[in-house]
Amino acid sequence: RKEVEQDPGPFNVPEGATVAFNCTYSNSASQSFFWYRQDCRKEPKLLMSVYSSGNEDGRFTAQLNRASQYISLLIRDSKLSDSATYLCVVTISYSGAGSYQLTFGKGTKLSVIP
Amino acid sequence: GAGVSQTPSNKVTEKGKYVELRCDPISGHTALYWYRQSLGQGPEFLIYFQGTGAADDSGLPNDRFFAVRPEGSVSTLKIQRTERGDSAVYLCASSSGGSEDTQYFGPGTRLTVL
Repeated sequence: RKEVEQDPGPFNVPEGATVAFNCTYSNSASQSFFWYRQDCRKEPKLLMSVYSSGNEDGRFTAQLNRASQYISLLIRDSKLSDSATYLCVVTISYSGAGSYQLTFGKGTKLSVIP
Repeated sequence: GAGVSQTPSNKVTEKGKYVELRCDPISGHTALYWYRQSLGQGPEFLIYFQGTGAADDSGLPNDRFFAVRPEGSVSTLKIQRTERGDSAVYLCASSSGGSEDTQYFGPGTRLTVL
């Protein structure tokens, strides 16, 4: 079982639609949670951190449920520029050496259509 | 300021050859990570440096892979006796350290082994 699992997608949605991505993680020792965005043939970039209380950044809302080991991302009023792959990411500190390696899901591809 | 830079951007080599991939992190970042991203997958952790030392190399797939960071800044990932399965995008990320500190990714080196 992969440590981080995401909806495989692709998601094809019209402009203005609301779209939700879901993600589950298997390691209950996971400490920090993020959504990264990756454009085609580009590097991943942090979209937002995810907190248990839920957090919002403009049209983007992220939620974390530690009990269910579930993370979500909601995008409202989709724009063409939102087209990208969205990566669900967790960190687990495996050693006392302070390594906060990121563990990525496979990503979900979003295409926003005019 | 300058972000993470990686050279070369593309590398094509023949099976069995030796390659070196370079990462120049953001100035002042003590934590440096290498990841590998295969087609259709999320990035996978390879190795973590805190300063000059490899504090966590648990992600290196085998002993053909080695990385150094001799002065605590630039890092080189070295792959001996390359195999076709090593073809991937190799990503470097740096951060100030700590679980909540954002890891900033470089543009990656696309390695193709023929």
